[in-house]
Amino acid sequence: GAVVSQHPSWVICKSGTSVKIECRSLDFQATTMFWYRQFPKQSLMLMATSNEGSKATYEQGVEKDKFLINHASLTLSTLTVTSAHPEDSSFYICSASAGTSDEQYFGPGTRLTVT
Amino acid sequence: AQKITQTQPGMFVQEKEAVTLDCTYDTSDQSYGLFWYKQPSSGEMIFLIYQGSYDEQNATEGRYSLNFQKARKSANLVISASQLGDSAMYFCAMEVSDSWGKFQFGAGTQVVVTP
Repeated sequence: GAVVSQHPSWVICKSGTSVKIECRSLDFQATTMFWYRQFPKQSLMLMATSNEGSKATYEQGVEKDKFLINHASLTLSTLTVTSAHPEDSSFYICSASAGTSDEQYFGPGTRLTVT
Repeated sequence: AQKITQTQPGMFVQEKEAVTLDCTYDTSDQSYGLFWYKQPSSGEMIFLIYQGSYDEQNATEGRYSLNFQKARKSANLVISASQLGDSAMYFCAMEVSDSWGKFQFGAGTQVVVTP
């Protein structure tokens, strides 16, 4: 099956700094990528939809200026958490779709801890 | 608006027994897809099974089967012959035709398989 990677898998940062998380589709071109956030013992919540070459579409309640998404190529989308605060500590998961079928492939996730 | 409901926060099941995880959904769309994912403690999302709204037969994948009752809007997952490695969080998810690839997840059910 298709492979989606995320980097880093785990990051600790200080409050007020920014953190960039990468999501790559390794063996297919992803026209659309999705970013989810998962707090401990909770479900995945969709944050935004990222389309290659266009602006991301954010879900209601997600601050676009805080969670910057860039989908510059068909294999890479990045999520930057700007001015991170402890409440941003979470598990961030991306998924990618080739757009040609219903299949969506999830990355392994990135665990962010803001101290 | 779409909604996915998993009413069982957690379940214990004995090894080799079958377990049914409940999932109900609500959508006004006629075309939609229903998915089940497994999330072990490592955090990765593992695809288990898919059921399309127009599929007349219940989906099966190895030890996993989906009991799809369209009129009742339920899509329960049945795991037969449980194994210790089945201990994980299980999520039901739905996507609808006007936003393929964009998943809405249920709250999840934590399954613990005991020897």
